[in-house]
Amino acid sequence: KAGVTQTPRYLIKTRGQQVTLSCSPISGHRSVSWYQQTPGQGLQFLFEYFSETQRNKGNFPGRFSGRQFSNSRSEMNVSTLELGDSALYLCASSWTSGSPNTGELFFGEGSRLTVL
Amino acid sequence: QKEVEQNSGPLSVPEGAIASLNCTYSDRGSQSFFWYRQYSGKSPELIMSIYSNGDKEDGRFTAQLNKASQYVSLLIRDSQPSDSATYLCAVKGNFNKFYFGSGTKLNVKP
Repeated sequence: KAGVTQTPRYLIKTRGQQVTLSCSPISGHRSVSWYQQTPGQGLQFLFEYFSETQRNKGNFPGRFSGRQFSNSRSEMNVSTLELGDSALYLCASSWTSGSPNTGELFFGEGSRLTVL
Repeated sequence: QKEVEQNSGPLSVPEGAIASLNCTYSDRGSQSFFWYRQYSGKSPELIMSIYSNGDKEDGRFTAQLNKASQYVSLLIRDSQPSDSATYLCAVKGNFNKFYFGSGTKLNVKP
């Protein structure tokens, strides 16, 4: 069974540009979450999608957005990039709808973004 | 206030010893708890999940949960150099939103 697939794995952008990252969840998983990981802040929640609906959003500016398609694949977009957006962006999928006592997150390899 | 607290370490143990990693959380209503291992430059990998008070064992790993004390721990028996990594404690919130601790770096010395 294929794991969570993220593309691209590495990318370099300059300030002011925008970037789109893609995530394909594990087959059958309908929940997709995005996290930002930096050395100083650790893993921070960006947003979660389930059946094409954003159900939860973290404390990030509106420059960070996402969407989910009918096949559960997800994309996140960051517009007007800033130096501080340099990070590892991790996508994770889960088979559950989020009920308690269930549902691990399975992470992709991540997309490492460098903003110059 | 951070939702999940971990000692950042590094925690150094000799090969073959027991490594004990600890985590506290702030939301008393939390019901689902997880330990992830992250090697340098890699993504987090699920090691254990625990939902009920007490111990849960899987091979060399034992997760312990005490909801009254809001405390989760991970014991690694017979530690190996390959266990050297950062261990992340995670608590599940609403709608699959997970709160992660900052991680404890473990060094297992041969």
